[in-house]
Amino acid sequence: EDQVTQSPEALRLQEGESSSLNCSYTVSGLRGLFWYRQDPGKGPEFLFTLYSAGEEKEKERLKATLTKKESFLHITAPKPEDSATYLCAVLTGANSKLTFGKGITLSVRP
Amino acid sequence: NAGVMQNPRHLVRRRGQEARLRCSPMKGHSHVYWYRQLPEEGLKFMVYLQKENIIDESGMPKERFSAEFPKEGPSILRIQQVVRGDSAAYFCASLLNRDETQYFGPGTRLLVL
Repeated sequence: EDQVTQSPEALRLQEGESSSLNCSYTVSGLRGLFWYRQDPGKGPEFLFTLYSAGEEKEKERLKATLTKKESFLHITAPKPEDSATYLCAVLTGANSKLTFGKGITLSVRP
Repeated sequence: NAGVMQNPRHLVRRRGQEARLRCSPMKGHSHVYWYRQLPEEGLKFMVYLQKENIIDESGMPKERFSAEFPKEGPSILRIQQVVRGDSAAYFCASLLNRDETQYFGPGTRLLVL
């Protein structure tokens, strides 16, 4: 069974304090790894897709990387508006089903 | 291009009633997925549909739950005889053909009293 584990469960940062969020996975046949951002009371908002080990993608203060066993979401000089829950999901199988981790709740203090 | 739409956003039902959740995919998308998010849990896959077809319902409870995506109109997730354990946020996502990215709607928060 596909498994996705995210750590830490919660992270509190000071504004400007860079850090990384971890997503480790155990799957058979990874077709892609996704990062989403979810604000309270809203649906997940797409951030990145990574398809192969060594791939990196960047968007503003966020950078996602992928290895054969895990992915990292690096946040450089975060701002309070980056506070949200960050979800990692793996895409496996012919039916494009996503398996999600429980998410990491990030809080950035001004 | 309008995003994925879901309604109602909030739904309150008493035990034993029926809940109907609607999802309109993004324009041009013909694939719809339903996920359920329980408190303190990650999103869990329920069902995958294409127009007029259920492709994969392996994540959906065998009883009381059903889903459809008719040729015309939104996709419907139907829960009969709701119980308190059905209280959760239900999200749908749509998929653009030839693109693996799933775009999510704002969700329906179901509360069963």
